[in-house]
Amino acid sequence: KAGVTQTPRYLIKTRGQQVTLSCSPISGHRSVSWYQQTPGQGLQFLFEYFSETQRNKGNFPGRFSGRQFSNSRSEMNVSTLELGDSALYLCASKLATGGNTIYFGEGSWLTVV
Amino acid sequence: AQSVTQLGSHVSVSEGALVLLRCNYSSSVPPYLFWYVQYPNQGLQLLLKYTTGATLVKGINGFEAEFKKSETSFHLTKPSAHMSDAAEYFCAVSMSGGSNYKLTFGKGTLLTVNP
Repeated sequence: KAGVTQTPRYLIKTRGQQVTLSCSPISGHRSVSWYQQTPGQGLQFLFEYFSETQRNKGNFPGRFSGRQFSNSRSEMNVSTLELGDSALYLCASKLATGGNTIYFGEGSWLTVV
Repeated sequence: AQSVTQLGSHVSVSEGALVLLRCNYSSSVPPYLFWYVQYPNQGLQLLLKYTTGATLVKGINGFEAEFKKSETSFHLTKPSAHMSDAAEYFCAVSMSGGSNYKLTFGKGTLLTVNP
């Protein structure tokens, strides 16, 4: 069974640009969540999607957004990039019901210059 | 609200020695508890989890952890460290029941294994 797949793995963007990251969850998993990992703030919850609806959102500015498609694949978007957005962005998936384990992908390394 | 405290941002042990990584949590409802490991330039891999039932849980790579409700702790141990255990370890908590969509993580503990 394939794990959580994230693309691209590495990318470099310039301040002010926008970026889109993609995530394919484990087959059968309908909940997808995103986390930001930085040396200073650690691992922080961004948002969670289920059945194409955002169910929960962490404490991040509106520049951070996401969506989920009918096949459960998800994308997150960061607009007007700032240097502080440089981070590892991790996607995770879990079963919608009966599952309590969240499985993570390898992450997308974003560097903003 | 939930929170996790990992005591010691860096732990160094000798190969073959006991590994003990400490984790304390706070949660207003019965928690689910997890340990994840992160190797350099990789994502998070689940080591083990506690949801309900037996308080001593065994995970992969010889690790185990014990849920102690009275101490609000979930410390991770391994009897004998191996060089391949060198990585960063994260303790995490989520709420039980229908709100278990979100993990709250500790700051992580970097484990170094010396030959």
